[in-house]
Amino acid sequence: NAGVTQTPKFQVLKTGQSMTLQCAQDMNHNSMYWYRQDPGMGLRLIYYSASEGTTDKGEVPNGYNVSRLNKREFSLRLESAAPSQTSVYFCATHRVYEQYFGPGTRLTVT
Amino acid sequence: GNSVTQMEGPVTLSEEAFLTINCTYTATGYPSLFWYVQYPGEGLQLLLKATKADDKGSNKGFEATYRKETTSFHLEKGSVQVSDSAVYFCALIINSGGSNYKLTFGKGTLLTVNP
Repeated sequence: NAGVTQTPKFQVLKTGQSMTLQCAQDMNHNSMYWYRQDPGMGLRLIYYSASEGTTDKGEVPNGYNVSRLNKREFSLRLESAAPSQTSVYFCATHRVYEQYFGPGTRLTVT
Repeated sequence: GNSVTQMEGPVTLSEEAFLTINCTYTATGYPSLFWYVQYPGEGLQLLLKATKADDKGSNKGFEATYRKETTSFHLEKGSVQVSDSAVYFCALIINSGGSNYKLTFGKGTLLTVNP
């Protein structure tokens, strides 16, 4: 089992470019999450999906959109990247009392 | 709202030293409490958890006890190793209904253990 996988691992964008971060899980979990991690800020929730077909905003949703394509996949889209979106992005799934994290995508916006 | 406050780092220790990382929380409702660990270049992994007051979570020599009276969940280890060098996150979760489980994280504490 691969668990939670994320692509790409690294990405550099110019301001105004768009991109989609991909996340897939093979654990058959209903809930999926996108977080960003910034130095000294811990992890902050961007969006989450409690089940296939539903998505909700988290703490810092501005500048992002998400799609829960099916039970396995949950993508995060930046329509017009800004330097403030330079961060490490983590996808996670949830099963009772535990969240399982992917390895992360390091995004730099110049 | 919910929040987690943990001691700021970085924390630097020598091998075999005793470790304490303090964590306190505020929560609306009855939380479950967690410690996650992040090794360099990796995602977060669950280290230990406690789901009710006075529970003690333990794993890999680390321990933390859920203290409702002091709203705390301090992480301890009696003898740290170089391989324990990582960032440690305290977190809580409250079931907000259905399957909407949302973790609230502290800001993380960087631990460096020197040989």
